[in-house]
Amino acid sequence: EAGVVQSPRYKIIEKKQPVAFWCNPISGHNTLYWYRQNLGQGPELLIRYENEEAVDDSQLPKDRFSAERLKGVDSTLKIQPAELGDSAVYLCASTGQGPNEQYFGPGTRLTVT
Amino acid sequence: DQQVKQNSPSLSVQEGRISILNCDYTNSMFDYFLWYKKYPAEGPTFLISISSIKDKNEDGRFTVFLNKSAKHLSLHIVPSQPGDSAVYFCAASAGHQGGSEKLVFGKGTKLTVNP
Repeated sequence: EAGVVQSPRYKIIEKKQPVAFWCNPISGHNTLYWYRQNLGQGPELLIRYENEEAVDDSQLPKDRFSAERLKGVDSTLKIQPAELGDSAVYLCASTGQGPNEQYFGPGTRLTVT
Repeated sequence: DQQVKQNSPSLSVQEGRISILNCDYTNSMFDYFLWYKKYPAEGPTFLISISSIKDKNEDGRFTVFLNKSAKHLSLHIVPSQPGDSAVYFCAASAGHQGGSEKLVFGKGTKLTVNP
């Protein structure tokens, strides 16, 4: 069974530029998460989807971040415009029904210069 | 306000010995706890979990202990192997019966197992 797929793996952009990340969760997993992990920190939740509905986006900086999961499967996370402080690893995770084990993708390492 | 705390940024042990990683939490609503292992350039990988109705869960070389009164949990790895060298994250969630709840992570502890 394929794991959570994310692309790109690495992205370097200049500040004020837009950037987008893509995630394909494990097949059949209804819940999808986007986390941000700053250097030396644990992952922090940005947004959680149940199917196509964003059920928790309280931590998403909505002035510059947006996310969508139109068909309840794959998802995109966008930053526009990017700031220096957005440099981090962006992780996508998914989970199915039942136990709370979330499965993480490899992440996208974003560097804003 | 850090709700999940891993106060040791790093730990070094000899191969074959026991590794003990500690985690403290402050939110009494947390009822499910997980440990994740992370290698460089990879996403966190689920290792072991424990529900608040238990005080111990064991899976092979890995055992997690939960002390609810102290709001403390620990991960024991016995015997430690060089391949266990990674960053270990403690995570917690509230409302486990809901299934897919938000995880709150600690900052991680970097474990190095020396041959």
